[in-house]
Amino acid sequence: AQSVTQLDSQVPVFEEAPVELRCNYSSSVSVYLFWYVQYPNQGLQLLLKYLSGSTLVKGINGFEAEFNKSQTSFHLRKPSVHISDTAEYFCAVSDLNSGGYQKVTFGIGTKLQVIP
Amino acid sequence: EAGVAQSPRYKIIEKRQSVAFWCNPISGHATLYWYQQILGQGPKLLIQFQNNGVVDDSQLPKDRFSAERLKGVDSTLKIQPAKLEDSAVYLCASSLLPGLAGGRNIQYFGAGTRLSVL
Repeated sequence: AQSVTQLDSQVPVFEEAPVELRCNYSSSVSVYLFWYVQYPNQGLQLLLKYLSGSTLVKGINGFEAEFNKSQTSFHLRKPSVHISDTAEYFCAVSDLNSGGYQKVTFGIGTKLQVIP
Repeated sequence: EAGVAQSPRYKIIEKRQSVAFWCNPISGHATLYWYQQILGQGPKLLIQFQNNGVVDDSQLPKDRFSAERLKGVDSTLKIQPAKLEDSAVYLCASSLLPGLAGGRNIQYFGAGTRLSVL
């Protein structure tokens, strides 16, 4: 069974500082990994995804993530955060269920608080 | 293009009452998902439809929850009777490709319905 572990429930960071949100996964077969962002009172929005190919993935709003198969990690990074990045971030892994259909498992989320 | 539409945005009910949520996915999207997001947790899949058929409802509490997608387009999720622990945000998502797309399916989420059970 697949699972996702987000190691930090909250991450405070000063504006214009770099940030890393950590994510570790487990999956039995092919791995597809995602980061979603959720702003207050809104649904989830896709930030970036890893399907195959280059292990460094670039997404929207200046975020990037690196897929590390040996460490089963997919950490999210941004070199300089802005106040508008304050939100909750969810790591997710996609696999296939017993019927062969896609099943997505989400982590519990990391709240990023950008301090002015 | 229009996104995933959900209504209502907020709902407050008393325990043992019934409630229904509605979702209209992005036009042409074959797959529809309902998630439950309890405060402080990530979304948990309740049910997944492929067109109008159910392909995964393993985590749906079937004694009180039901869902349908009769014409393969919009969907309703019902809770009857509601319990206190059903307080959560109910998210609907849709994706273009059939669920057999090898895990590459990108899901698009609606804004959710926040349910409070008193």
